[in-house]
Amino acid sequence: EPEVTQTPSHQVTQMGQEVILRCVPISNHLYFYWYRQILGQKVEFLVSFYNNEISEKSEIFDDQFSVERPDGSNFTLKIRSTKLEDSAMYFCASREGGRDTGELFFGEGSRLTVL
Amino acid sequence: GQNIDQPTEMTATEGAIVQINCTYQTSGFNGLFWYQQHAGEAPTFLSYNVLDGLEEKGRFSSFLSRSKGYSYLLLKELQMKDSASYLCAVTDSNYQLIWGAGTKLIIKP
Repeated sequence: EPEVTQTPSHQVTQMGQEVILRCVPISNHLYFYWYRQILGQKVEFLVSFYNNEISEKSEIFDDQFSVERPDGSNFTLKIRSTKLEDSAMYFCASREGGRDTGELFFGEGSRLTVL
Repeated sequence: GQNIDQPTEMTATEGAIVQINCTYQTSGFNGLFWYQQHAGEAPTFLSYNVLDGLEEKGRFSSFLSRSKGYSYLLLKELQMKDSASYLCAVTDSNYQLIWGAGTKLIIKP
């Protein structure tokens, strides 16, 4: 069964360092998302991506964040200069699009720990 | 603003039935989802409702009333593995998914 894959599963980094989280969405999906979830808190929307550009972003997604689809399969989230409060689980998700139900398919998440 | 409300925590007994309610106010409506999330893991899809009524899938059922902005998730024959957070989420007119904070369900023997 097709699935969304994310790497790394866990990354520990020093404050101020750059981090790149990688995602491979389901191959025929057209919409891609990044969410984050700080431990014990609700899932928060970061950004959505369609047709090679950002379609929507939240207040959380400031200039420290960027997304890219460098090739036909990968979808990356870059945090330029990490802060302690960036420590969270980051989930990538994809959606088929068109006349689909809107169901999101999630990756297993990348846990980011900023020291 | 857009808002989804669900109880923070519920407790139930193994083998029993529990109903988790969700109310929503969103700009437009294109469907309501229930996801299950075990601690430290990604949300997993449980159900999708876009029309009024009850959708049954094994031990889990989900109900929707669009006029009332209300849904519930019904879990029957509870098992210990059902201990998890249950997230209600609504897609608005832009197909943006609006998440509730989740209901932590604790199952006791």
